[in-house]
Amino acid sequence: NAGVTQTPKFRVLKTGQSMTLLCAQDMNHEYMYWYRQDPGMGLRLIHYSVGEGTTAKGEVPDGYNVSRLKKQNFLLGLESAAPSQTSVYFCASSYATGGTEAFFGQGTRLTVV
Amino acid sequence: EDKVVQSPLSLVVHEGDTVTLNCSYEVTNFRSLLWYKQEKKAPTFLFMLTSSGIEKKSGRLSSILDKKELFSILNITATQTGDSAVYLCAVPGAGSYQLTFGKGTKLSVIP
Repeated sequence: NAGVTQTPKFRVLKTGQSMTLLCAQDMNHEYMYWYRQDPGMGLRLIHYSVGEGTTAKGEVPDGYNVSRLKKQNFLLGLESAAPSQTSVYFCASSYATGGTEAFFGQGTRLTVV
Repeated sequence: EDKVVQSPLSLVVHEGDTVTLNCSYEVTNFRSLLWYKQEKKAPTFLFMLTSSGIEKKSGRLSSILDKKELFSILNITATQTGDSAVYLCAVPGAGSYQLTFGKGTKLSVIP
């Protein structure tokens, strides 16, 4: 009963390096989201997707790109990492919008040095 | 701009105490309000409230919504050390796709 799975769980990057975070869900949810969580800031939405092949910007999209080529996967890319992107990243999915329950992955702790 | 404000930001209580966590919100076209519990890792869903004045309960946790005054409270009775966590309140935004989260209340329950 996997739910939402994120890989990797931890990563250290040097400034300017690139990486991709993978999110996979096995609940056949249409909607998927990427959030970042910083101390004192709560969870902030980076990008989201309302279905396969679609993506949209959230509250803090700069420096990130996403893709949703398959319904079950939502990828978050950092093209040129910056120290300001040091954060914990959470992926989530839900079967509908309007504030229905979102299921979260376990998070990826990213440090950019 | 949608806004969710939680109070207090942190709280330390002794086992057995009862606590009340607050969440006030400003959002266009309110649909629902959600409470999550976050321990070390992923937030886990507690309640979703859509109707004013109707209490939702799960064991020692309960929550109620006041749509007129734009707030919700989360009550935890007979607290246990396992209740120590950050409690997050969230509302869907105007576009309904995203959740706007409050900064959370960090609850610490000491023996």
